[in-house]
Amino acid sequence: QVQLLESGGGVVQPGRSLRLSCAASGFGFNDYSLHWVRQAPGRGLEWVALTSPDGSIRHYSETVKGRFTISRDNSKNTLYLEMISLRTEDTAKYYCARDHQPSNAIDVWGQGTLVTVSS
Amino acid sequence: SYELTQSPSVSVSPGQTARITCSGDILSKQFGYWYQQKSGQAPVLVIFKDNERPSGIPERFSGSSSGTTVTLTISGVQAEDEAEYFCQSADDSGPYTVLFGGGTKLTVL
Repeated sequence: QVQLLESGGGVVQPGRSLRLSCAASGFGFNDYSLHWVRQAPGRGLEWVALTSPDGSIRHYSETVKGRFTISRDNSKNTLYLEMISLRTEDTAKYYCARDHQPSNAIDVWGQGTLVTVSS
Repeated sequence: SYELTQSPSVSVSPGQTARITCSGDILSKQFGYWYQQKSGQAPVLVIFKDNERPSGIPERFSGSSSGTTVTLTISGVQAEDEAEYFCQSADDSGPYTVLFGGGTKLTVL
C-alpha cells in the first residue's frame, strides 16, 4: 500500500527553525519526484517545494525560497523539509506528496503535519 | 506570474449536475488537474491532464478544457461529493512552479 507519513510538526516561535520528515512506503521511492504542499487553517492549498527523484533538482515557491530547503535520503525512503526563520504566516498543515508520473499532478498525499508558528 | 481563479462556492441538489470552473492564462498552454478535499482529509486527485480520470475515481467525475478555462463536471451528484475542489496547473516556462486555485466549496443541498 502506497503511503506517506509526515512527522516533525509542532509549535515553534517566530524566527526559529523546524525540520519535517516524510517516510514513504509501498512504491519505488527513487523513481518519483516529491512535493511539499501546505494549507493554512481554513485556507486553500499552497505549493511549497519539489525535488527530483535523485534530489539534484529542487524548486521552491517564491514565498519560501531562501528559508526552506527540500531534501531526500533515498537510502531511507525519506523526504525532508528544513525550515528556518519561520514566520507566523508559515502556520499550516504541511503535506508530503508524490508527483504523478504521467503528468504534473500530485497523485498521493500524506495526512499532513501541523506547524504552528507563534510566540 | 500566473494565477488560477475559482468561484468560492457551488450548490446543487442530489442527482443534479455540478460544474466547477477554473480560469487562468496558464491553462491555455498547460494541463489542468482537479482535487477533491473532504473536511479534515488530505486531497484526492480526481482529474488529470484536463479530462483523464485516475483509477478508482467514479465515472460521474469528468473534466474538460476550453481556452483558458478548465471545468470539472460531476454528473448525478451524491451527498458524498460534498467537499472542497481545487484546480491545479504547473508553469515550467521559468523556474518550475505548481499553481493551485483558491478552491470551490461544493454543497449538496
